[in-house]
Amino acid sequence: EAGVTQSPTHLIKTRGQQATLRCSPISGHTSVYWYQQALGLGLQFLLWYDEGEERNRGNFPPRFSGRQFPNYSSELNVNALELEDSALYLCASSPGTQKGNIQYFGAGTRLSVL
Amino acid sequence: GIQVEQSPPDLILQEGANSTLRCNFSDSVNNLQWFHQNPWGQLINLFYIPSGTKQNGRLSATTVATERYSLLYISSSQTTDSGVYFCAVEYDMRFGAGTRLTVKP
Repeated sequence: EAGVTQSPTHLIKTRGQQATLRCSPISGHTSVYWYQQALGLGLQFLLWYDEGEERNRGNFPPRFSGRQFPNYSSELNVNALELEDSALYLCASSPGTQKGNIQYFGAGTRLSVL
Repeated sequence: GIQVEQSPPDLILQEGANSTLRCNFSDSVNNLQWFHQNPWGQLINLFYIPSGTKQNGRLSATTVATERYSLLYISSSQTTDSGVYFCAVEYDMRFGAGTRLTVKP
């Protein structure tokens, strides 16, 4: 069974551009989570989607947004990129809080903003 | 929000030694997981353990929910155990800062 898949693996953008990151959850999982791991700042919760709805949002500006599609895949959009957005972005999926919330992580997308 | 603190921040061991990593959290939690992040950034699930004790090979974990802490035990450490160990709590995964473990041959 395929795990959580993220694309692209690496993404290079310039300041002011937009970035789109994609995540496909494990089959049968309805919840998708996004995290940012910036150097020296640890893992920070970004967004949580479940059954197509945004359930919670971390302390990030509105230019970080996303959505979850009917097939439960998700994308994260970062607008007006800033240098400090350079980080590893990790996606995780889980069966949903009603079925146990063990989260499984993808390999991440490394975003570099120049 | 819930605060998560991990200790020690860094740990250097000789291969074969045992170690205990600690995770303290500031409020009661419904969800707690331990992860190992390998050098390539991949987070590997170790335990889902909101309470009680679990064991998986050389690794075991104990969470005492009433006292708001969890412990991860690594016995007979191997060089492949090197990396960063994180605990995370709640459904939106508030992560601790991690313990960086280095196991020397």
